Amino acid sequence: AQSVTQPDIHITVSEGASLELRCNYSYGATPYLFWYVQSPGQGLQLLLKYFSGDTLVQGIKGFEAEFKRSQSSFNLRKPSVHWSDAAEYFCAVGAGAAGNKLTFGGGTRVLVKP
Amino acid sequence: NAGVMQNPRHLVRRRGQEARLRCSPMKGHSHVYWYRQLPEEGLKFMVYLQKENIIDESGMPKERFSAEFPKEGPSILRIQQVVRGDSAAYFCASSERPGLYEQYFGPGTRLTVT
Repeated sequence: AQSVTQPDIHITVSEGASLELRCNYSYGATPYLFWYVQSPGQGLQLLLKYFSGDTLVQGIKGFEAEFKRSQSSFNLRKPSVHWSDAAEYFCAVGAGAAGNKLTFGGGTRVLVKP
Repeated sequence: NAGVMQNPRHLVRRRGQEARLRCSPMKGHSHVYWYRQLPEEGLKFMVYLQKENIIDESGMPKERFSAEFPKEGPSILRIQQVVRGDSAAYFCASSERPGLYEQYFGPGTRLTVT
């Protein structure tokens, strides 16, 4: 069965500093990978996705992620965080017979210091 | 184009009552997914439905939970005889095509069982 691990439960970063969120997955076939962001009390917004092709994918809000098959990782990065980036971030893998179910990691809560 | 709509946003039920959660997918989307987020956890897949059909209910608890997506009207997640452990945020997502992994999420319904 597929699984997703986000090793960091909380990360605190200063505004303007770089951010990297780790994601490791376990899946037998070619994974379909996603990063979502959830602001407090809100639903999830898709930041970016990887299906195939270029392993470095660009997303919204200045985020990017790199797929590394050899490490089973899909880490999310942002060069310079803004206070509005404080939120919870979820990595997910698409699976199921028709790829219909997403398996989520436990999430990483990001706090931005002024 | 309105996004995925869920109502109510907050629902309080006493133990033993029924909870009915509604989800209207994005316009043009005929595939609906329900996820549950327990406190301090990631989202867990519950069920995938197309109009009038349950496609994958592998994440649904065996008892008390049911879901439908009728030909007309919203998708309904129904929880009978709620217990304290059902307290969670329930998210609905929709997609345009089968096997399309980009799911758009609603704001969620936060169920509290007292």
